[in-house]
Amino acid sequence: QSALTQPPSASGSPGQSVTISCTGTSSDVGGYNYVSWYQQHPGKAPKLMIYEVSKRPSGVPDRFSGSKSGNTASLTVSGLQAEDEADYYCSSYAGSNNFGVFGTGTKVTVL
Amino acid sequence: QLQLQESGPGLVKPSETLSLTCTVSGGSISSSSYYWGWIRQPPGKGLEWIGSIYYSGSTYYNPSLKSRVTISVDTSKNQFSLKLSSVTAADTAVYYCATWTTVTTPGAFDIWGQGTMVTVSS
Repeated sequence: QSALTQPPSASGSPGQSVTISCTGTSSDVGGYNYVSWYQQHPGKAPKLMIYEVSKRPSGVPDRFSGSKSGNTASLTVSGLQAEDEADYYCSSYAGSNNFGVFGTGTKVTVL
Repeated sequence: QLQLQESGPGLVKPSETLSLTCTVSGGSISSSSYYWGWIRQPPGKGLEWIGSIYYSGSTYYNPSLKSRVTISVDTSKNQFSLKLSSVTAADTAVYYCATWTTVTTPGAFDIWGQGTMVTVSS
């Protein structure tokens, strides 16, 4: 099972929006609505930001939103803030042999 | 509130077996809501799911690691463990324990331990 493909980097100024793509196959992203997104600050454990493609866990700001079309999922961060600067990983369920295929990761920089 | 904490040696010799334990607090490992799993992250690289276990003992492993991985659960200690055999330098990583839930945030790893760095070196 190959990793999902994400752009290595993305950036935006405070207040702007940034969108990160996550491309997989019909065996993972395209086959299930169990796509999730994680934020990871340096030296910290990942934090769940989006689950089931577009749902936010309690406590996650509504500036974070997710969507999916075919084999590609996307995370949009609106109204960028300095604390949003982090690495972001997507993940997709891919069957009982793979609870989580992860993306290659995207470093978001707030200019 | 559920919390996870990894423990185990930080240094393992090549060809030996890496052993880690994750202690669950704030809840029961016998909960039917969670699968208990391990995820690793080599330095400067991305995340890789290693495997997960249900409290009943059913296990699910990443096919690329399946031949070397054993995950087990100890309900009496509220812990689950990872064993990775025949390690090489490529297994050097931060190892996280994490829950995969079917209830609160379906299909996602919602609770993570802080991670523990394991280095494979002689």
